[in-house]
Amino acid sequence: AQSVTQLGSHVSVSEGALVLLRCNYSSSVPPYLFWYVQYPNQGLQLLLKYTTGATLVKGINGFEAEFKKSETSFHLTKPSAHMSDAAEYFCAVGTYNNNDMRFGAGTRLTVKP
Amino acid sequence: KAGVTQTPRYLIKTRGQQVTLSCSPISGHRSVSWYQQTPGQGLQFLFEYFSETQRNKGNFPGRFSGRQFSNSRSEMNVSTLELGDSALYLCASSLTGVIYEQYFGPGTRLTVT
Repeated sequence: AQSVTQLGSHVSVSEGALVLLRCNYSSSVPPYLFWYVQYPNQGLQLLLKYTTGATLVKGINGFEAEFKKSETSFHLTKPSAHMSDAAEYFCAVGTYNNNDMRFGAGTRLTVKP
Repeated sequence: KAGVTQTPRYLIKTRGQQVTLSCSPISGHRSVSWYQQTPGQGLQFLFEYFSETQRNKGNFPGRFSGRQFSNSRSEMNVSTLELGDSALYLCASSLTGVIYEQYFGPGTRLTVT
């Protein structure tokens, strides 16, 4: 079965600094990879997804992620953090032949003024 | 169009009771998935329904069950509640399945006392 590991349960950055949230996956078949964001007392919102094709994926709110098969990674980045980016971020993996979704433990992003 | 709605938003139950949670997907979406979110275990996949059929089930005991109606609305039921069932239960809908774009509802916060 597939799995996801998010490195760092808490990440703190200054406003305007680079955001880097790390995600490594394990899958015996080609993975579908996702980043979701959760704001307090809300459900999850899809930021971006990788299925096939271009390995650099652009999402909403200026976020992007790069699928690196050799490193089994799918790290999320944003060049310049905003205060509104403070939230919990989840990396997830699914596969075409196994219709379920496995989430990482989440990374809480704090943005300091 | 309207998003995913979940009712009720908050619920307090006593050990041994049972509970039913409801989820109304986005119009036109035929796949509904349920997730349990707790601080200790994170986000865990419960099950997914598509066109009234359960297509996949996570690793939860038989006390957790669900169903989907012909209008794609879904319910999940937990019988013989335990303290450890206290969690945020999230419902997500998508056009065809969990590996495609999922839209999450705000969740139902269940507290078992």
